[in-house]
Amino acid sequence: GAVVSQHPSRVICKSGTSVKIECRSLDFQATTMFWYRQFPKKSLMLMATSNEGSKATYEQGVEKDKFLINHASLTLSTLTVTSAHPEDSSFYICSAIRGATDSNQPQHFGDGTRLSIL
Amino acid sequence: KQEVTQIPAALSVPEGENLVLNCSFTDSAIYNLQWFRQDPGKGLTSLLLIQSSQREQTSGRLNASLDKSSGRSTLYIAASQPGDSATYLCAVRTAGGTSYGKLTFGQGTILTVHP
Repeated sequence: GAVVSQHPSRVICKSGTSVKIECRSLDFQATTMFWYRQFPKKSLMLMATSNEGSKATYEQGVEKDKFLINHASLTLSTLTVTSAHPEDSSFYICSAIRGATDSNQPQHFGDGTRLSIL
Repeated sequence: KQEVTQIPAALSVPEGENLVLNCSFTDSAIYNLQWFRQDPGKGLTSLLLIQSSQREQTSGRLNASLDKSSGRSTLYIAASQPGDSATYLCAVRTAGGTSYGKLTFGQGTILTVHP
């Protein structure tokens, strides 16, 4: 069964609205979670790495003031798209790795959130 | 900078065929390689994970091989079924970012298995 839960699955809202997406690890603690963005018929692009209890690490070219990440607990990370505009419309996917710092564990993904800004 | 390439970009086969999906990567210093399946409008489902020290992994009708020195991996699907239709993504984990390293994805192969 799913080990990473993402909510909501779909959001449609007006330009200028801020949208929050939640990512939960269901049966394990995740000190690190990852946020990806996927454009139509393209592969996943890492946006940022979410660290519990500290600031997120953003990839080059990703606006940290536009995409706010909060990793408040060991099972929950949130991505807030602030003042969203049509160009922010995309498929956002979160991910987590079971285990503390083991890079040899598989990475599990949520079901994604389809964000449409009108 | 790690780059991952998947060939072919799309593949259409009749039901029952055995098929091979290819993945190549430019930096052989990887921790592991993971194959995923993505259905339309959905997230990713992990299929197989091969550690850098391993040569292959098997799960049911799926077999993935890894040749780290040449920067290649293949995903073999035996006796394909219409339910196998999806996009298959290859991703390699290399050092960088966090202690977990960083996952770099290929563009994917869109597989269609027709009855």
